[in-house]
Amino acid sequence: NAGVTQTPKFQVLKTGQSMTLQCAQDMNHEYMSWYRQDPGMGLRLIHYSVGAGITDQGEVPNGYNVSRSTTEDFPLRLLSAAPSQTSVYFCASSYNWAANEQFFGPGTRLTVL
Amino acid sequence: RKEVEQDPGPFNVPEGATVAFNCTYSNSASQSFFWYRQDCRKEPKLLMSVYSSGNEDGRFTAQLNRASQYISLLIRDSKLSDSATYLCVVNGGNQFYFGTGTSLTVIP
Repeated sequence: NAGVTQTPKFQVLKTGQSMTLQCAQDMNHEYMSWYRQDPGMGLRLIHYSVGAGITDQGEVPNGYNVSRSTTEDFPLRLLSAAPSQTSVYFCASSYNWAANEQFFGPGTRLTVL
Repeated sequence: RKEVEQDPGPFNVPEGATVAFNCTYSNSASQSFFWYRQDCRKEPKLLMSVYSSGNEDGRFTAQLNRASQYISLLIRDSKLSDSATYLCVVNGGNQFYFGTGTSLTVIP
């Protein structure tokens, strides 16, 4: 099992550009989520999904879109990048929302100039 | 008010010391509680779940106090390899809420 994979590992964008952060898991987990981590702020939930076809907003959803067309994939789209979106982004999955453990991908370090 | 609050530290302790971290949570209906460990520039990984009766895993002991809504983590006989950030996590509704983390450095 590869676990949770994320691409790219690093990305630099200019203000106004759009891009998609990829996340995939091969553990047949129903629950997937995206977090951003900023110094002094901890991990904040952006969007999450409790199963294919179902997504919902977390604490900081503005400026981001998600979709969940398959169980395996949960891409995060930045619509028009802003410097405030400079952060480390983590994708995570778990068997379901009540499961004991979330498995995290290695993260994507995004810089918006 | 934040869902989960932790003392950010940093905690700098000598090898062999015992160190304790606390975490408070705001949602009295929360059912699941965890401690995660995060190494510098890495992803968080589960250290241990926290059960109502308390639980121990080697040098690590976790406690839950539902009445006061706090969770604790005790590390005995600290090792250099314990240096990391420890994240308190609480499940509420269908989301996981993370504390900002407590930084621990174990000094030789």
